[in-house]
Amino acid sequence: NAGVTQTPKFQVLKTGQSMTLQCAQDMNHEYMSWYRQDPGMGLRLIHYSVGAGITDQGEVPNGYNVSRSTTEDFPLRLLSAAPSQTSVYFCASKTSGAPYEQYFGPGTRLTVT
Amino acid sequence: GQQVMQIPQYQHVQEGEDFTTYCNSSTTLSNIQWYKQRPGGHPVFLIQLVKSGEVKKQKRLTFQFGEAKKNSSLHITATQTTDVGTYFCAGGMNTGFQKLVFGTGTRLLVSP
Repeated sequence: NAGVTQTPKFQVLKTGQSMTLQCAQDMNHEYMSWYRQDPGMGLRLIHYSVGAGITDQGEVPNGYNVSRSTTEDFPLRLLSAAPSQTSVYFCASKTSGAPYEQYFGPGTRLTVT
Repeated sequence: GQQVMQIPQYQHVQEGEDFTTYCNSSTTLSNIQWYKQRPGGHPVFLIQLVKSGEVKKQKRLTFQFGEAKKNSSLHITATQTTDVGTYFCAGGMNTGFQKLVFGTGTRLLVSP
């Protein structure tokens, strides 16, 4: 199993550009989520999904869109990048029941200039 | 909204010394999880505590969940250089998705 994979590893965008961060998992997990990690602030939940076709907002959803057309994939779209979105983005997945361990992907480091 | 604070932010110890990080939530939690993140890496699950007053051990690591289920601690006995990283607690809510609110993390540096 590859676990949770994310692409790209690094990305530089100019303000106003859009892009999609890719996330895929091969563990047949129902739940998937996106977090951003900023220095001194821990991880904050952006969006999450409890299954294909079902998504919901987390703590910091503004400026981001998600969709979940398959169990495996959960892409995160930045609609119009802003410098405040410079961060490290982690995708995570877990089963719907116990144990509630989250499996994180390797992350995408995004810089918006 | 719910907040989870963690202290200290940073600790530098000599190898062999003990280390403790503390986690406090503004609200009662249904469970608490702990993660470790090595420099440049991603968070890796360590453990989950569910019961009030629960204590769990993993080799040199001891995890506690407070009686009121609003605080938790992680204690490492006799640190090793392999313990270097940032330790995060994450408070779980009793909802269908089990949302986690992460603490700010404690960065541990161990000198040989």
